[in-house]
Amino acid sequence: GNSVTQMEGPVTLSEEAFLTINCTYTATGYPSLFWYVQYPGEGLQLLLKATKADDKGSNKGFEATYRKETTSFHLEKGSVQVSDSAVYFCALIAIKAAGNKLTFGGGTRVLVKP
Amino acid sequence: GAVVSQHPSRVICKSGTSVKIECRSLDFQATTMFWYRQFPKQSLMLMATSNEGSKATYEQGVEKDKFLINHASLTLSTLTVTSAHPEDSSFYICSARDGQAPFYEQYFGPGTRLTVT
Repeated sequence: GNSVTQMEGPVTLSEEAFLTINCTYTATGYPSLFWYVQYPGEGLQLLLKATKADDKGSNKGFEATYRKETTSFHLEKGSVQVSDSAVYFCALIAIKAAGNKLTFGGGTRVLVKP
Repeated sequence: GAVVSQHPSRVICKSGTSVKIECRSLDFQATTMFWYRQFPKQSLMLMATSNEGSKATYEQGVEKDKFLINHASLTLSTLTVTSAHPEDSSFYICSARDGQAPFYEQYFGPGTRLTVT
């Protein structure tokens, strides 16, 4: 079946530090990959996506590259801000094999301190 | 952007009673809606998928008689937790897919925290 594994948190950083959240996946078929962010008290928001190998998704200074050879989609940001404090979820959709349903990783809580 | 609302945001009910949670797409037609359950410090678990006008499809292990889902219109889906018990306490999140948008576009509601006493 499909699964997503991401590093456990919480991750605590100082402002302007470099952030990496590791994400690896197993999937049947050819998945599309996503990062979602959940700010305190809010619903999930799509942060970025990549639909084929070697694609790089980017948004709000965050980047992630679809690496088929390592089945990974690590999230990075070069200089975090306090406002980036949130829970980040890696997810995939494997077309046809799973009816276009999202499979989520466990989530990684990130806390950025001033 | 597309907005999905949920009501109520928090609800406390007594064991044995039923509670209904609404999920609305405010500015688009949601041909498909999803209901998730999120345990503390854990990921989202898909409970069921509902398409407007048809019966919901439940994930394995989810009791369909306990978690009643109705998707009567293109902008509203409801989840009713029947005969609630303390173990049903959780954070319930819905998402909606716009039939006109790419397959991967899902818009999430802010969630409903259910506490059963």
